[in-house]
Amino acid sequence: QVQLVESGGGVVQPGTSLRLSCAASGFTFSSYGMHWVRQAPGKGLEWVALLSYDGSNTYYADSVKGRFTISRDNSKSTLYLQMNSLRAEDTAVYYCAKVRGGVTAIKAAFDVWGQGTMVTVSS
Amino acid sequence: QSALTQPASVSGSPGQSITISCTGTISDIGSYNYVSWYQQHPGKAPKLMIFEVSNRPSGVPDRFSGSKSGNTASLTISGLQAEDEADYYCNSYTTSSTVFGGGTKLTVL
Repeated sequence: QVQLVESGGGVVQPGTSLRLSCAASGFTFSSYGMHWVRQAPGKGLEWVALLSYDGSNTYYADSVKGRFTISRDNSKSTLYLQMNSLRAEDTAVYYCAKVRGGVTAIKAAFDVWGQGTMVTVSS
Repeated sequence: QSALTQPASVSGSPGQSITISCTGTISDIGSYNYVSWYQQHPGKAPKLMIFEVSNRPSGVPDRFSGSKSGNTASLTISGLQAEDEADYYCNSYTTSSTVFGGGTKLTVL
């Protein structure tokens, strides 16, 4: 079955870096754009970044632009999020999500979600 | 990238119908038919319920329906069931970006 599994979360100090991974299975990973979405404790969903199926197009939320980098390795069916200069306000559960096909990735719905990985930024 | 506006909470009794609104602007909901809705139970990942304003993915009950008028999209749940109690989020495309609503907590009385 279609599955996304995030990993790499943890507790880090402000100003440091962390890399999240999202392992995909059950579908042709290289054919779909992929998102990162986060949810701070007790808060709503916040879109973070999108990477096109072939890695050629990236989109970022203003809140992470210049600090976070989304990337993928289609040979490993894995999505990444490199997070630098972390701040307390980056504390959240980070979900990866698959783009639903049929339309341009940035316009498409998020049709499969992972279970999330928790990132806590605290001194 | 301002969040779409949803009511913080709605409630209804089993068997009733409820509607959750999602208000945006001419820059997002008002200009594009790329509105989607997600259901999230506590401690769980979100689940896609509606895409492109009014389309249901396979497996989503037809009690769930979506619509749009002007800058506002709506999710209607008819024949409310206890398992529908959850948080609901709308999402819309906006120029070269995508934005979620603040979320609505649905309580089934």
